[in-house]
Amino acid sequence: GAGVSQSPSNKVTEKGKDVELRCDPISGHTALYWYRQRLGQGLEFLIYFQGNSAPDKSGLPSDRFSAERTGESVSTLTIQRTQQEDSAVYLCASSGPGRGETQYFGPGTRLLVL
Amino acid sequence: GDSVTQMEGPVTLSEEAFLTINCTYTATGYPSLFWYVQYPGEGLQLLLKATKADDKGSNKGFEATYRKETTSFHLEKGSVQVSDSAVYFCALSDLAGGSEKLVFGKGTKLTVNP
Repeated sequence: GAGVSQSPSNKVTEKGKDVELRCDPISGHTALYWYRQRLGQGLEFLIYFQGNSAPDKSGLPSDRFSAERTGESVSTLTIQRTQQEDSAVYLCASSGPGRGETQYFGPGTRLLVL
Repeated sequence: GDSVTQMEGPVTLSEEAFLTINCTYTATGYPSLFWYVQYPGEGLQLLLKATKADDKGSNKGFEATYRKETTSFHLEKGSVQVSDSAVYFCALSDLAGGSEKLVFGKGTKLTVNP
């Protein structure tokens, strides 16, 4: 079946612009996660959605970052007024149904802020 | 908070050599432990996992044992192949905290030469 998909695969933007990244989870997966991977670093958790529960936003690095999810489907991660330190690969994962299931990752969006 | 420390790379081995990549963790609860692998040009995928103390996860000839007394989850393979060249990430998930986010180590790049 189809895996997690993300778009765009690459994005180059200028400092100060807003960007929107999209994630399509695996159908039927109730949980969705966003992570960030900066060059030479491990993956950092950003935000977690589980069904209709309030999302865990504890990993968002600043108020320039926000994310939404419509029901149990598509999610968008928005970065406002991008900075050069936002350059990274943004990874989305989904899991479920139920808790404690394996997370399946998408291919990522490589963001470069000039 | 929870954290994962894994062996810094890069690691370079000859084919058929023995591999160990060390991983230790700090967690307030009783986490599940994972090894994820990222092959060149591919997305992150689960290699193996263990959900409780003394469990051994195994897949593709790789093994790791959940050692609660030493808070470790070292990855081993008896005879590596060129196709094992990839970046390996150790991670934990502590469901007791409510969120199912993964906490990752920084990754270890493995290169296997013929």
